[in-house]
Amino acid sequence: ETGVTQSPTHLIKTRGQQVTLRCSSQSGHNTVSWYQQALGQGPQFIFQYYREEENGRGNFPPRFSGLQFPNYSSELNVNALELDDSALYLCASSPYLGRTQETQYFGPGTRLLVL
Amino acid sequence: TQLLEQSPQFLSIQEGENLTVYCNSSSVFSSLQWYRQEPGEGPVLLVTVVTGGEVKKLKRLTFQFGDARKDSSLHITAAQPGDTGLYLCAGASSGGSYIPTFGRGTSLIVHP
Repeated sequence: ETGVTQSPTHLIKTRGQQVTLRCSSQSGHNTVSWYQQALGQGPQFIFQYYREEENGRGNFPPRFSGLQFPNYSSELNVNALELDDSALYLCASSPYLGRTQETQYFGPGTRLLVL
Repeated sequence: TQLLEQSPQFLSIQEGENLTVYCNSSSVFSSLQWYRQEPGEGPVLLVTVVTGGEVKKLKRLTFQFGDARKDSSLHITAAQPGDTGLYLCAGASSGGSYIPTFGRGTSLIVHP
């Protein structure tokens, strides 16, 4: 069973650029959630995808967008990068969470630095 | 906005010592989870508690959910260097999509 993988592992961008981060969910999982973890902070929920539809969103501006594909892999896109977007971006997959508590399995994250 | 406050923020102890870390909120949660995160990795789930007053044990780790489901504690007995890491609590409310709120974490270092 393959765990959650993310790519790239590290990325350096400049202000105003756009970035796409990728996540492959664990086999059998149809729900993917994305989190932003700034240095010294806990993860903050960005959004969640279930069967290719957005299933919940945290307090992030519209320049943060996402996609989920038929194989349940996912992308996080961030437009017009700002310095404060520098963080570790975590992807977590799980069976459908919905209203029932399920275990999320996190990937190792993508560390983004915006200069 | 639900907030989870974790304390202490940092903890540096010797191998064999006991410790307790806390997770507090003014909000009621339907479930609360504890994770451990090591450098360069994502968080790994340790436990989920859902019932007020619930106590769960995982080897040397004891987790308690407050009676009012607003707070939780994690107690580690006889800490070992392998316990070093960032301990995060995350709470979620019932209804709608599962959107957890994470605390800032307690960074634990256990010296041999």
